[in-house]
Amino acid sequence: SQKIEQNSEALNIQEGKTATLTCNYTNYSPAYLQWYRQDPGRGPVFLLLIRENEKEKRKERLKVTFDTTLKQSLFHITASQPADSATYLCALDMEDNYGQNFVFGPGTRLSVLP
Amino acid sequence: DTGVSQDPRHKITKRGQNVTFRCDPISEHNRLYWYRQTLGQGPEFLTYFQNEAQLEKSRLLSDRFSAERPKGSFSTLEIQRTEQGDSAMYLCASRIAGYNEQFFGPGTRLTVL
Repeated sequence: SQKIEQNSEALNIQEGKTATLTCNYTNYSPAYLQWYRQDPGRGPVFLLLIRENEKEKRKERLKVTFDTTLKQSLFHITASQPADSATYLCALDMEDNYGQNFVFGPGTRLSVLP
Repeated sequence: DTGVSQDPRHKITKRGQNVTFRCDPISEHNRLYWYRQTLGQGPEFLTYFQNEAQLEKSRLLSDRFSAERPKGSFSTLEIQRTEQGDSAMYLCASRIAGYNEQFFGPGTRLTVL
């Protein structure tokens, strides 16, 4: 079955720096890979989606890359702010390609220090 | 509020009791998902519906768990004979088939004593 690893359980960076989070998966590549943000005690919130034929996607200070050869996605937050502190989840959308469900990674807890 | 809502937000129960949770998705969303999340983990898929049809259930899902979406609108998740290991956050999400973004509710936190 599909497994996802996210680079580390927790990541601390200084305000203003770029945070880079990693998502690695096994087995087959999904048609879509998504990133979500989750704050404590709340449900995840969708941030960005990237398709398997796209190399890079940007939205404001966020950037996502997708390498199906490496089976890896990188998620970048530039000019990070303390308000970016949250858990970031990578999710593989296996549904329409394989008739399977969404598979979420364990998440990386990001702390942006002022 | 036009987002996904869940009720109750918190539930404390004793082991062996039955509990039922409700999810109201965004009205035009035909797909509805249930997930379970424990501390430090990502959401774990439990089951999903397209309209009123339950299309998939996780192989990990005990037969103590059952879900319904009788009219293709709201959904209920019932856990029978709760165990302490059922303590978790239960999340509901919805989306329109063919569109990728899932919208999550705030979750129901279950504590089994």
